[in-house]
Amino acid sequence: DAGVIQSPRHEVTEMGQEVTLRCKPISGHDYLFWYRQTMMRGLELLIYFNNNVPIDDSGMPEDRFSAKMPNASFSTLKIQPSEPRDSAVYFCASSLLRNQPQHFGDGTRLSIL
Amino acid sequence: KNEVEQSPQNLTAQEGEFITINCSYSVGISALHWLQQHPGGGIVSLFMLSSGKKKHGRLIATINIQEKHSSLHITASHPRDSAVYICAVSNTDKLIFGTGTRLQVFP
Repeated sequence: DAGVIQSPRHEVTEMGQEVTLRCKPISGHDYLFWYRQTMMRGLELLIYFNNNVPIDDSGMPEDRFSAKMPNASFSTLKIQPSEPRDSAVYFCASSLLRNQPQHFGDGTRLSIL
Repeated sequence: KNEVEQSPQNLTAQEGEFITINCSYSVGISALHWLQQHPGGGIVSLFMLSSGKKKHGRLIATINIQEKHSSLHITASHPRDSAVYICAVSNTDKLIFGTGTRLQVFP
């Protein structure tokens, strides 16, 4: 399998612009997770889905962030409008079942100027 | 206080040394994970364990549920082991992460 695929790998954009990050989980995995990693706070869970349904979005920082999973093979994380403090590496991960090892994508390095 | 604490934060070693990274947690867990992240790279799951000990090559992970403590050992360390090692615990479906241990192994 190709593993978890994220795009883009890098994104640089100006403050106020809309940013969309994309993730394709491993086929057959029921769980999908979005994480953010910063030097200050380390890895943080933003939101996760089970069978395409959002289960817990308590980690989403504010209303500027939204995530969708329209089908089992695709998810998006959107930031609108973006701010410099959103600069971070965003990881997507998937797992087959609850409490199974998570497989991480290579991440999207986001820089908001 | 963080729910998952790792020590040390930074670690340097000479090639061939035996390395230990520690993780303590304060919440109830269903499993503990050790992850590896190379500089500028993605994150790889090394171990998931809920009791006892697991071994994979030169890596060994142990957990003591009563003491809420886990250790990751690397035997005969090598420069390619240089990475950030992250401890995480499973609580329901979610992972709670430690802040990571940055390991540098010099030839």
